[in-house]
Amino acid sequence: ETGVTQSPTHLIKTRGQQVTLRCSSQSGHNTVSWYQQALGQGPQFIFQYYREEENGRGNFPPRFSGLQFPNYSSELNVNALELDDSALYLCASSWGHDLGNSPLHFGNGTRLTVT
Amino acid sequence: EDKVVQSPLSLVVHEGDTVTLNCSYEVTNFRSLLWYKQEKKAPTFLFMLTSSGIEKKSGRLSSILDKKELSSILNITATQTGDSAIYLCAVNSGGSNYKLTFGKGTLLTVNP
Repeated sequence: ETGVTQSPTHLIKTRGQQVTLRCSSQSGHNTVSWYQQALGQGPQFIFQYYREEENGRGNFPPRFSGLQFPNYSSELNVNALELDDSALYLCASSWGHDLGNSPLHFGNGTRLTVT
Repeated sequence: EDKVVQSPLSLVVHEGDTVTLNCSYEVTNFRSLLWYKQEKKAPTFLFMLTSSGIEKKSGRLSSILDKKELSSILNITATQTGDSAIYLCAVNSGGSNYKLTFGKGTLLTVNP
């Protein structure tokens, strides 16, 4: 059983550019969630995708967008990058959108640096 | 809005010491509380506590949920240098069952 995999592991971008981060969900999981973890902070929920639709969204502007594909993998896109977007971006997968009874398992993350 | 507060924010101990990490929460319709360990990148799952499972133990680690006090503790006995990490507490609530709300974490450093 493969776990959650994310790519790339590190990325450096310039302010104003656009970036796409990728996530492959754990085998058997149909839901993907994205979190942003700034330095010294806990992860902050960005959004969740369930059956290729956005199922919930945190307090992030519209320039943060996502996609989920039929094989349940997902992309996180960020447009017009700002310096404050520098963070570790974590992807997690689960079976079903309700997290009440099963824990999230995270990938290793993508470290994004915006200069 | 759900809120999770962890204390202390950082802690330095010697190998062999016992530590207690704290987590308090304010959420609407509490469903579960989770503890994660984060060393370099991915948070790794430790425990999940719910109304039907308020105490969990695995080796030297144990955790208790106090629903009356809206809090949880994570205990680590006989600490080892490999326990050095950030410990994250998160909650899931019925108001937004699709997400976890995390605290800022406790940075634990275990010195030899």
